[in-house]
Amino acid sequence: DAGVIQSPRHEVTEMGQEVTLRCKPISGHDYLFWYRQTMMRGLELLIYFNNNVPIDDSGMPEDRFSAKMPNASFSTLKIQPSEPRDSAVYFCASRPLQGIGNTIYFGEGSWLTVV
Amino acid sequence: DAKTTQPNSMESNEEEPVHLPCNHSTISGTDYIHWYRQLPSQGPEYVIHGLTSNVNNRMASLAIAEDRKSSTLILHRATLRDAAVYYCILRGTHNTNAGKSTFGDGTTLTVKP
Repeated sequence: DAGVIQSPRHEVTEMGQEVTLRCKPISGHDYLFWYRQTMMRGLELLIYFNNNVPIDDSGMPEDRFSAKMPNASFSTLKIQPSEPRDSAVYFCASRPLQGIGNTIYFGEGSWLTVV
Repeated sequence: DAKTTQPNSMESNEEEPVHLPCNHSTISGTDYIHWYRQLPSQGPEYVIHGLTSNVNNRMASLAIAEDRKSSTLILHRATLRDAAVYYCILRGTHNTNAGKSTFGDGTTLTVKP
């Protein structure tokens, strides 16, 4: 089975530009998560969806960040405008509704550098 | 959310067993204990989980204290490929808590040849 697929794997952009990160969860999974990882703050949960509906976005740092899940197989995380402090690795993850111990499956991450 | 406490770092020699501890004194009765690890430049991956009884799988063993306030991930023979950050987290069974697990800083395991 294909795992969680993220794109792009790496992106370098200039401050002020819009950044869109994409995620395809594992087929059949009901939950989708967006995490951000930095050296300073570790792995932070930004937002998660259940059946395409945002459940908790309390981890989204500010209004410049937005996430959507238009269907069960696709989600985006958008940053507009981007700032250098947004440089991080962004992970998408998914899990099924019923799973042994609720295991979460992570993608390989999108490495974002804002200059 | 119930929190976990892990040492920041540990070292091991190759081919030797490694015991990675985790304290979770505020664990609730329905929380599963999960371990994930993150290899360099990769996303976290599931290692093992348990509720009350000790667990074994092809990757590791999980020893859970009788009072469930602590657990230990055991790598029976560390290899260089086991060098990673190991996270101990608690996962509730209620779906409303699905995404609330806090990963913390984890334990950085260094394996020496």
